Amino acid sequence: NAGVTQTPKFQVLKTGQSMTLQCAQDMNHEYMSWYRQDPGMGLRLIHYSVGAGITDQGEVPNGYNVSRSTTEDFPLRLLSAAPSQTSVYFCASSSARGVWWETQYFGPGTRLLVL
Amino acid sequence: ELKVEQNPLFLSMQEGKNYTIYCNYSTTSDRLYWYRQDPGKSLESLFVLLSNGAVKQEGRLMASLDTKARLSTLHITAAVHDLSATYFCAVDISQTSYDKVIFGPGTSLSVIP
Repeated sequence: NAGVTQTPKFQVLKTGQSMTLQCAQDMNHEYMSWYRQDPGMGLRLIHYSVGAGITDQGEVPNGYNVSRSTTEDFPLRLLSAAPSQTSVYFCASSSARGVWWETQYFGPGTRLLVL
Repeated sequence: ELKVEQNPLFLSMQEGKNYTIYCNYSTTSDRLYWYRQDPGKSLESLFVLLSNGAVKQEGRLMASLDTKARLSTLHITAAVHDLSATYFCAVDISQTSYDKVIFGPGTSLSVIP
């Protein structure tokens, strides 16, 4: 299993450009999430999904869109990039929630710089 | 406003010593997570604590949860250099379903030989 994969690893955008960060998992996990990590602030939840066709907003959803057409893929779209979106983005997945065997797997991250 | 605080934010300790990292949160929750992150790397799940009084141990790390005090601890026993990393606690504030998981700012741990 490849686990959780993210592409690209690095990206530089100009203000106003749009792009999609890709996330895929091959573990048949129902739950998938997108976080952003900024220095000294831990991770903040952007959007999450509890299954194909079901998504919801997290803590900081503004400026981002998501969709979940398949179990495997959960892309994150930046509609019009802003310098405040410069961050490291992590995708995560898990097979269950709120149970003792719950484990959340994180992807390697995408480093985004918006100029 | 929900706050998740960690104490200390930076910790330098000698190998062989014991220490505790504290995670305080300001709202009701019965699920708390601990993660480890190495520099420039992704996050690794360490513990899931699901109820008041829960205690989990893995190697030199032991985590506990007191939901009444809204406090979790991560205890390090006889630290070794390999434990150097940033440790995050995260609190799930949803009562019924997967909702918002709020992360603390992280504790940067450096274990000195």
